[in-house]
Amino acid sequence: GAVVSQHPSWVICKSGTSVKIECRSLDFQATTMFWYRQFPKQSLMLMATSNEGSKATYEQGVEKDKFLINHASLTLSTLTVTSAHPEDSSFYICSARGGLAGSRYEQYFGPGTRLTVT
Amino acid sequence: QQQVKQSPQSLIVQKGGISIINCAYENTAFDYFPWYQQFPGKGPALLIAIRPDVSEKKEGRFTISFNKSAKQFSLHIMDSQPGDSATYFCAASTGFGNEKLTFGTGTRLTIIP
Repeated sequence: GAVVSQHPSWVICKSGTSVKIECRSLDFQATTMFWYRQFPKQSLMLMATSNEGSKATYEQGVEKDKFLINHASLTLSTLTVTSAHPEDSSFYICSARGGLAGSRYEQYFGPGTRLTVT
Repeated sequence: QQQVKQSPQSLIVQKGGISIINCAYENTAFDYFPWYQQFPGKGPALLIAIRPDVSEKKEGRFTISFNKSAKQFSLHIMDSQPGDSATYFCAASTGFGNEKLTFGTGTRLTIIP
């Protein structure tokens, strides 16, 4: 149980285009989803927290107009990188929490999406 | 106050040995301490987690030791195997209101034959 999927697993796009990444909780309802960014050999950096049906809460320094997050249902959240630039190239990981008995605190992570902007 | 300090940055252990990774925190409001394992190109996977009402939790070869007064917790991997070679992250969060995880900086563990 507690499986989170991400799609696509990797994507290459040209500078100036937009890319959408999907995060799905497959076997539980995720009341809260989180989006992280990870640079090579570094820790995870939280970008934003989203609750189903609410606007996402962005961490300080994260441009909300550039990284659009939508949490339209209890099993799906999307991250859209708008007008992508090479510096947006990174590993994007989502996590989901909620719904399972006794797992109020536990976050389950997706496999990540490697974004390369050329 | 929100930081979680993790050490060492990298660790090499012989197969069959004990791997020990340490974390320290300042925020006394933290009440949930998970450890994650991450392989290259993959998302982190929850290994084991502890609440501050217990001093130790064991699951298979993995043990968390928790010292509330010292605000420290550690991960012990017994009988370390080459398949345990990965990056390990400790984390902490509060269970009330803002429940985002604060991650440590990570430890790259290598198990050598």
